Amino acid sequence: DVKVTQSSRYLVKRTGEKVFLECVQDMDHENMFWYRQDPGLGLRLIYFSYDVKMKEKGDIPEGYSVSREKKERFSLILESASTNQTSMYLCASTPTGNTGELFFGEGSRLTVL
Amino acid sequence: AQTVTQSQPEMSVQEAETVTLSCTYDTSESNYYLFWYKQPPSRQMILVIRQEAYKQQNATENRFSVNFQKAAKSFSLKISDSQLGDTAMYFCAFRGGDYKLSFGAGTTVTVRA
Repeated sequence: DVKVTQSSRYLVKRTGEKVFLECVQDMDHENMFWYRQDPGLGLRLIYFSYDVKMKEKGDIPEGYSVSREKKERFSLILESASTNQTSMYLCASTPTGNTGELFFGEGSRLTVL
Repeated sequence: AQTVTQSQPEMSVQEAETVTLSCTYDTSESNYYLFWYKQPPSRQMILVIRQEAYKQQNATENRFSVNFQKAAKSFSLKISDSQLGDTAMYFCAFRGGDYKLSFGAGTTVTVRA
């Protein structure tokens, strides 16, 4: 089975802190994604990556950056956390060439105080 | 991002009965994929069912089936013989020519014993 692991299920940070959210997948998938989930808004794409060292902005990239140095790992970085970034963050991956079904991690719930 | 609309924030159904979730989408593409994902409480998102737009036949997976109306851009999910384990949030998602998925706001389904 595909396994997508997010490093932290729950985080509490202070405004202005730098936050790292880590995601690792074990199925050699080329494509990886970071989504943000908020009530009433569904999932919104922050960034995605088609390959190592490649990244593209999604629909809401402001305030976020990403890093993909290795194929299996995709990191989301909040350079200076703000209270409006309090949310559930979901990582997902998919291989190139399939129907595009995403395989999700369990999510990281971030609270910024 | 493509627009995906789920107009029912919450649905409640008695165990063993049938519930239908609605989803509409907006696209100018002719070839695309549609998905329904399930997110149980505090658990990760999993795929329920997928539909390729070029296929006229509606997809079915056990108790889950879809009604795909391409001209109307409608993609509803029917859950038959509802079970307590079906209690979850359900998301409709659209994938066009790339691997990015656009999601609706979600519908919370509660199955009553």
